[in-house]
Amino acid sequence: NAGVTQTPKFQVLKTGQSMTLQCAQDMNHEYMSWYRQDPGMGLRLIHYSVGAGITDQGEVPNGYNVSRSTTEDFPLRLLSAAPSQTSVYFCASSHDRGGTGELFFGEGSRLTVL
Amino acid sequence: SQQGEEDPQALSIQEGENATMNCSYKTSINNLQWYRQNSGRGLVHLILIRSNEREKHSGRLRVTLDTSKKSSSLLITASRAADTASYFCAAEGQFYFGTGTSLTVIP
Repeated sequence: NAGVTQTPKFQVLKTGQSMTLQCAQDMNHEYMSWYRQDPGMGLRLIHYSVGAGITDQGEVPNGYNVSRSTTEDFPLRLLSAAPSQTSVYFCASSHDRGGTGELFFGEGSRLTVL
Repeated sequence: SQQGEEDPQALSIQEGENATMNCSYKTSINNLQWYRQNSGRGLVHLILIRSNEREKHSGRLRVTLDTSKKSSSLLITASRAADTASYFCAAEGQFYFGTGTSLTVIP
């Protein structure tokens, strides 16, 4: 049982480049979400999904795009990377469709934008 | 807006001592959760306390919840060096996490 798997673990981008952070879970969880963690800022919710085909914005959605075509996968797309998007990104999932139950986190993806 | 704010920001104690960290939140909740994050790792769920509970125990962890004050506390008893980590509270809903308490347990 792998839980929540994030790839890549590390990535360096140049300003303006695009990329996708992958997230997959094998627990059949309906709820999935993306957070970014910055020093002194805690975790901030970017986007979330309560099931396949359903996504919604969190606290800091600008510059990011998501889709949920399957229950297992919830990729996060950076359309045109900016230095302000340098951060550690965490994907999480929950058995509770409303996202109010225990969250299971991936190990994080550390992104640097030059 | 952040639903959970931890206090203190950093705490350093000797092994064997108890560690207490506090969390305040802004709106009514149905539950509050505490998470732990080791350096460079993802967050791990520790405990969930519901709004109709005042206290909950799990091993060396004791969590209290005061809904009238919109606050919660996490007590780690008989701390160990392996407890060194950051601890976050998260109010329910969209899980707005605070900035966390960084706990250092000195052997």
